[in-house]
Amino acid sequence: ILNVEQSPQSLHVQEGDSTNFTCSFPSSNFYALHWYRWETAKSPEALFVMTLNGDEKKKGRISATLNTKEGYSYLYIKGSQPEDSATYLCAFSWVGTGGFKTIFGAGTRLFVKA
Amino acid sequence: EAGVTQSPTHLIKTRGQQATLRCSPISGHTSVYWYQQALGLGLQFLLWYDEGEERNRGNFPPRFSGRQFPNYSSELNVNALELEDSALYLCAASRGGVDEQFFGPGTRLTVL
Repeated sequence: ILNVEQSPQSLHVQEGDSTNFTCSFPSSNFYALHWYRWETAKSPEALFVMTLNGDEKKKGRISATLNTKEGYSYLYIKGSQPEDSATYLCAFSWVGTGGFKTIFGAGTRLFVKA
Repeated sequence: EAGVTQSPTHLIKTRGQQATLRCSPISGHTSVYWYQQALGLGLQFLLWYDEGEERNRGNFPPRFSGRQFPNYSSELNVNALELEDSALYLCAASRGGVDEQFFGPGTRLTVL
């Protein structure tokens, strides 16, 4: 059974701290790795889609890296702000019989205290 | 541009009944995905429709089914509802492939 692990499960930081989370996924049949931000009472919002080993993406203070050979991705937030408080989900897409499938991790819940 | 819409927002059913959930994607997005988030669990992939056809399904029993219409909107049907079907059901749409998915606000299904 394919599984996507995210760590830590939750994280409490102070405003201004930099932080990072990990997403671990199977390294075989890789298709794509997605990061989403899910704020309470809102819909998940796409941050990045990465498809190539070594990919690095950046959006403002948030960046992500991808290692498909060892099966992990890191999400970094520089200078955390209270508005960064959310659950960060990663989703792994792989190629199987009948096409590709996507499986989500359980997420990392980030709390940023002002 | 309107986002992904879902209806109804909330749905209350009793065990054994059938539920129908609806999703309208963003214009130009032909792929629709359905996910379930049960209490305390992460997002579980249910179904993927593209160009009117079911492309893939997650590990859910056959009583979870759906369809995609010519205008790319989609329905999720859950037959013979069970208590554990109570969950938030999210629909997402994309242009297909590895494109980012845009999520709707979800339908909260409660089975009594």
